[in-house]
Amino acid sequence: DAGVIQSPRHEVTEMGQEVTLRCKPISGHNSLFWYRQTMMRGLELLIYFNNNVPIDDSGMPEDRFSAKMPNASFSTLKIQPSEPRDSAVYFCASSFPDGNYEQYFGPGTRLTVT
Amino acid sequence: AQTVTQSQPEMSVQEAETVTLSCTYDTSESDYYLFWYKQPPSRQMILVIRQEAYKQQNATENRFSVNFQKAAKSFSLKISDSQLGDAAMYFCASFGAGNMLTFGGGTRLMVKP
Repeated sequence: DAGVIQSPRHEVTEMGQEVTLRCKPISGHNSLFWYRQTMMRGLELLIYFNNNVPIDDSGMPEDRFSAKMPNASFSTLKIQPSEPRDSAVYFCASSFPDGNYEQYFGPGTRLTVT
Repeated sequence: AQTVTQSQPEMSVQEAETVTLSCTYDTSESDYYLFWYKQPPSRQMILVIRQEAYKQQNATENRFSVNFQKAAKSFSLKISDSQLGDAAMYFCASFGAGNMLTFGGGTRLMVKP
């Protein structure tokens, strides 16, 4: 299996622009997670989906952030409008419904907002 | 709510020696899982080892082992025969109610040749 796939790997954008991060989970995994990693706040869970349904989005910082999972093989995290403080590494992870709760992480997207 | 604390921001070890990274957690769940993840400079998060809370036996994966003290809510990682490739950030994490994985702040491990 190719593992969790994220694109782009790097994104540089100007403040005010819309940014869309993409994730393809491992086939057969039914849970998908979006995390943000910064030096100041470490790893934070933003939102997670179970069977394509958003379960907990309490970690989404504000209304500028939105996430969708239209099908079992694709999810997006959108920031509109982006701000410099959104600069971070964004990880997508997925897990298999066998009860061991192990999450498999993608390589991350490094976002820089200037 | 779950909390995970890693009290050592940085650790160093001589190549081939043994090092122990500390982690404490707090949870109200009776059934939960604990993990150690490694994040090398490539920033890929890699699962190192997993411990089910209901198991008394400490998990072991090759050179990596844990010391799980459930009553003390302690979950330390021991790396034996340290190698240069072990240099990375190590994150302790707990998984419990609500399908949530809570991470500690991380420990940066340096391996000296």
